[in-house]
Amino acid sequence: DTAVSQTPKYLVTQMGNDKSIKCEQNLGHDTMYWYKQDSKKFLKIMFSYNNKELIINETVPNRFSPKSPDKAHLNLHINSLELGDSAVYFCASKGQGDQPQHFGDGTRLSIL
Amino acid sequence: DQQVKQNSPSLSVQEGRISILNCDYTNSMFDYFLWYKKYPAEGPTFLISISSIKDKNEDGRFTVFLNKSAKHLSLHIVPSQPGDSAVYFCAATELLYSGGGADGLTFGKGTHLIIQP
Repeated sequence: DTAVSQTPKYLVTQMGNDKSIKCEQNLGHDTMYWYKQDSKKFLKIMFSYNNKELIINETVPNRFSPKSPDKAHLNLHINSLELGDSAVYFCASKGQGDQPQHFGDGTRLSIL
Repeated sequence: DQQVKQNSPSLSVQEGRISILNCDYTNSMFDYFLWYKKYPAEGPTFLISISSIKDKNEDGRFTVFLNKSAKHLSLHIVPSQPGDSAVYFCAATELLYSGGGADGLTFGKGTHLIIQP
């Protein structure tokens, strides 16, 4: 019973391609997030989204776009992939108030 | 600019002893702090949290202390067990200001805890 699941776990692709990473949560949470862990191991927020509002970290290039078909899903689309996009991407979700965020196991994206 | 800092990249502790992991922050608006544990190839797993209105929170072997004036928090694990070997991330957010954490968490760089038998 995985609470937050991401697919694929590994993604290897070439520069310039467009790819998507899927995220689903079965916790009934209202808010979902995408984080990026770079080569220096920093985990940084990219987006947060609930059914009312999308908050974008201003440092995220507009080649990255989150898409939410419903409350349980927040997919990440990346256009024109660049070498610097290589990282591990984590999806997370959170309930209301001071509930902690629950994370998926990550998607390791490698750009050739 | 790192708003959450974990200055020890690694820490080695003998099994059965106390592990103390430290975290400093610079943003006075942070009002909710969390510790996550992470194994390789897995996502961070929530351990324990503390609100800025408290100075201590305890859950089994884990205790988090918050010193607001020093902008410092620490995680104590006692007794340390081999399964505690992992990377520990300190995280913070402006829960009230962001209407429930919509801004996401700001993470430190992590401390790799190694429990030696």
